[in-house]
Amino acid sequence: NAGVTQTPKFRVLKTGQSMTLLCAQDMNHEYMYWYRQDPGMGLRLIHYSVGEGTTAKGEVPDGYNVSRLKKQNFLLGLESAAPSQTSVYFCASSFLPATGTDLGQYFGPGTRLTVT
Amino acid sequence: DAKTTQPPSMDCAEGRAANLPCNHSTISGNEYVYWYRQIHSQGPQYIIHGLKNNETNEMASLIITEDRKSSTLILPHATLRDTAVYYCIVKGYNQGGKLIFGQGTELSVKP
Repeated sequence: NAGVTQTPKFRVLKTGQSMTLLCAQDMNHEYMYWYRQDPGMGLRLIHYSVGEGTTAKGEVPDGYNVSRLKKQNFLLGLESAAPSQTSVYFCASSFLPATGTDLGQYFGPGTRLTVT
Repeated sequence: DAKTTQPPSMDCAEGRAANLPCNHSTISGNEYVYWYRQIHSQGPQYIIHGLKNNETNEMASLIITEDRKSSTLILPHATLRDTAVYYCIVKGYNQGGKLIFGQGTELSVKP
């Protein structure tokens, strides 16, 4: 199993440009999440999905959109990048939390995004 | 989600036990205590979780006080590879999978 993978690993954008971050998991997890982490801070939830075709807002959703067209993929889009979106973005996935054995969330390696 | 309080940093000698405290005085009866860690520049890693009983797995032990207002994560024989930021998170199953990360404790294991 590859676990959770993220593409790309690094990216530099100019203000106003758009891009899409791809997250893929091969563990058949129902739940997927996007977080951002700013220097010296904990992770903050941007958006999440409880299943294919569903998405929901997290703590800091403004400026981002997401889509979950396939169970194994969760896309994070920046339509018009701003310097405030310079951050490290982590994707995670998990089984349905309320059933069976909860093994927590599995995280990807992160995408380092700089917006100039 | 209940708020947690952790010391910002701790040191531990290699080979000794690392005991990381967490206060969660407003925890609700259906909320679990989760521990994750984040090694520099990597994604967070799940360690352990519990409701009210003490738990142990191959990575660590979790001790939860009887009133559930605090807990301690124990790494029995810390190694240099355990140097990381450790996050204590309180979450209920009815809150879906959302994790609210605080500042965590930066554990430095020294030779």
